[in-house]
Amino acid sequence: DAGVIQSPRHEVTEMGQEVTLRCKPISGHNSLFWYRQTMMRGLELLIYFNNNVPIDDSGMPEDRFSAKMPNASFSTLKIQPSEPRDSAVYFCASSVDRQDIQYFGAGTRLSVL
Amino acid sequence: QKEVEQDPGPLSVPEGAIVSLNCTYSNSAFQYFMWYRQYSRKGPELLMYTYSSGNKEDGRFTAQVDKSSKYISLFIRDSQPSDSATYLCAMTNTNAGKSTFGDGTTLTVKP
Repeated sequence: DAGVIQSPRHEVTEMGQEVTLRCKPISGHNSLFWYRQTMMRGLELLIYFNNNVPIDDSGMPEDRFSAKMPNASFSTLKIQPSEPRDSAVYFCASSVDRQDIQYFGAGTRLSVL
Repeated sequence: QKEVEQDPGPLSVPEGAIVSLNCTYSNSAFQYFMWYRQYSRKGPELLMYTYSSGNKEDGRFTAQVDKSSKYISLFIRDSQPSDSATYLCAMTNTNAGKSTFGDGTTLTVKP
């Protein structure tokens, strides 16, 4: 299997623009997680899905952030409008079940100027 | 106070040294304990996974869990420059269905 695939790997945008991050989980995995990693705050869970349904979005920082999982093989994390403080590395991870081992993608490095 | 506290580091050791990485936690509902390794500009990858108190060994790596003290450790024997990375502990509350990560300890092994 190719593992968890994230795109793009790098994104540079200007403040106020919409940003969409994409994730393809490992085939057969039922749970998908979005994380944000910064030096100051470490790895933070933003939201996770189980069987395509959002289970816990308490980590989503503001209404500017939204996530969808229209099917078992695709998820998006959208930031609209983006702000410089959103600059971070965003990781997607998937697992067979929500309590199981998580496998991480390579991340998307977002820079908002 | 965070649910999971990890020794911040950074840690620098000579090649061949024994390395000890540690985390403490406050939530007694945590049942699964993991160590992830993250190389620079990469995603975390699972290194060790344990459920119960005690030791689990895999090659040069030993994971130790003490549930009574709410303390977990990762030992690396005969450390190599290739072990240079950030190590994150993680714990899963099966009731909540999600994992909580420590902030990570950055390790450098010098040749």
